[in-house]
Amino acid sequence: SYELTQPPSVSVSPGQTASITCSGDKLGDRYTCWYQQKPGQSPLLVIYQDRKRPSGIPERFSGSNSGNTATLTISGAQAMDEADYYCQAWDSSTLVFGGGTKLTVL
Amino acid sequence: QVQLQESGPGLVKPSETLSLTCTVSGGSISGYYWSWIRQPPGKRLECIGYIYYSGSTNYNPSFKSRVTISIDTSKNQFSLKLSSVTAADTAMYYCARVLDYYGSGSYTPYGFDIWGPGTMVTVSS
Repeated sequence: SYELTQPPSVSVSPGQTASITCSGDKLGDRYTCWYQQKPGQSPLLVIYQDRKRPSGIPERFSGSNSGNTATLTISGAQAMDEADYYCQAWDSSTLVFGGGTKLTVL
Repeated sequence: QVQLQESGPGLVKPSETLSLTCTVSGGSISGYYWSWIRQPPGKRLECIGYIYYSGSTNYNPSFKSRVTISIDTSKNQFSLKLSSVTAADTAMYYCARVLDYYGSGSYTPYGFDIWGPGTMVTVSS
């Protein structure tokens, strides 16, 4: 089965840039989505089709996908961005999620 | 705007069948794929399967023998049944609308744009 690998945690200082990676075999050949999940809430789509932002998602969120790695970048991270982030891609007959990355802003 | 709401028992006994319903409001269920996703405590999200409004389904092989997803367009609802549950099925269950794209003569799902708030299901005697 297809697997997506994320670092368990990433830390960033307020106002700095945070990058969260997601690795999978030939991931660049598939669309990748990214979700933000805060405690007690359902996931929120922040990036779709590798680099597009849904309406209402701040411009500081951006994405890229090439080769075996997709990256979520948060430019000028804010305290409100502290959350778990999950990457996700489609494989054969199902949609697969990464293990999640806890972003700490401090 | 479109909203989703899960409903169903929060406690299911081992070996029994877990049944949940997702009600779609603020828009039509037609024209889209719809999915069930779960998240066991402290673990990653897991797509159980998805259904097209026409009724065609696709299940995660990990659940294939135990899962049934159905849809009722007249009620704007779709449902999940997971049989022979064990403690390992204890999780937060979400319903979601599926994003898809058209390519090579067919539609392919690739993500989830709208999620319900989720419902916690515990499997215990």
